[in-house]
Amino acid sequence: GQNIDQPTEMTATEGAIVQINCTYQTSGFNGLFWYQQHAGEAPTFLSYNVLDGLEEKGRFSSFLSRSKGYSYLLLKELQMKDSASYLCAVRLNTGGFKTIFGAGTRLFVKA
Amino acid sequence: NAGVMQNPRHLVRRRGQEARLRCSPMKGHSHVYWYRQLPEEGLKFMVYLQKENIIDESGMPKERFSAEFPKEGPSILRIQQVVRGDSAAYFCASSRAGDEKLFFGSGTQLSVL
Repeated sequence: GQNIDQPTEMTATEGAIVQINCTYQTSGFNGLFWYQQHAGEAPTFLSYNVLDGLEEKGRFSSFLSRSKGYSYLLLKELQMKDSASYLCAVRLNTGGFKTIFGAGTRLFVKA
Repeated sequence: NAGVMQNPRHLVRRRGQEARLRCSPMKGHSHVYWYRQLPEEGLKFMVYLQKENIIDESGMPKERFSAEFPKEGPSILRIQQVVRGDSAAYFCASSRAGDEKLFFGSGTQLSVL
């Protein structure tokens, strides 16, 4: 089966750095995404990795190791507005493309 | 340039009624995906469609649920004879091609009384 695991909740302090891990066991891997979702709202795209390594985009960075089935999202200089759920998602090529999601990590940023 | 449009935003149905959820993809997007989300849970893949074709419906329940994406008009997710367990947020996403990132609509919150 296809499986994506990430921690359920994390808490961090405003101004700090937090790393959210994601491990996956899938077949037909074709890329990994991170999305942010505020309560009651639509998920919004944060980052995309298809090759091993680190992708940096402002305060957000994402890392991928395909051999280990592992990714992380790094958030720097945390702000209160970063309190949200962070969804790790894997795109699969199974004859057509489909994207499956982990359960999400709820991040609480405290002052 | 409008994003992915879903309507209605909220839908209330009694047990046994039908629910129709609509999704208009972003302009230029021909790939549509439907996901279901229960409170404090992740997005569960339901179905992936291109114009007039169902590409992958492996996440759709075998009964009562159907989806279409006609040549003209929005994609429709149809749930017949709804039950309380169908209560959830249903999100639609679209992409320009199958190997591009997804853009999500604001979702339809279905409540079954």
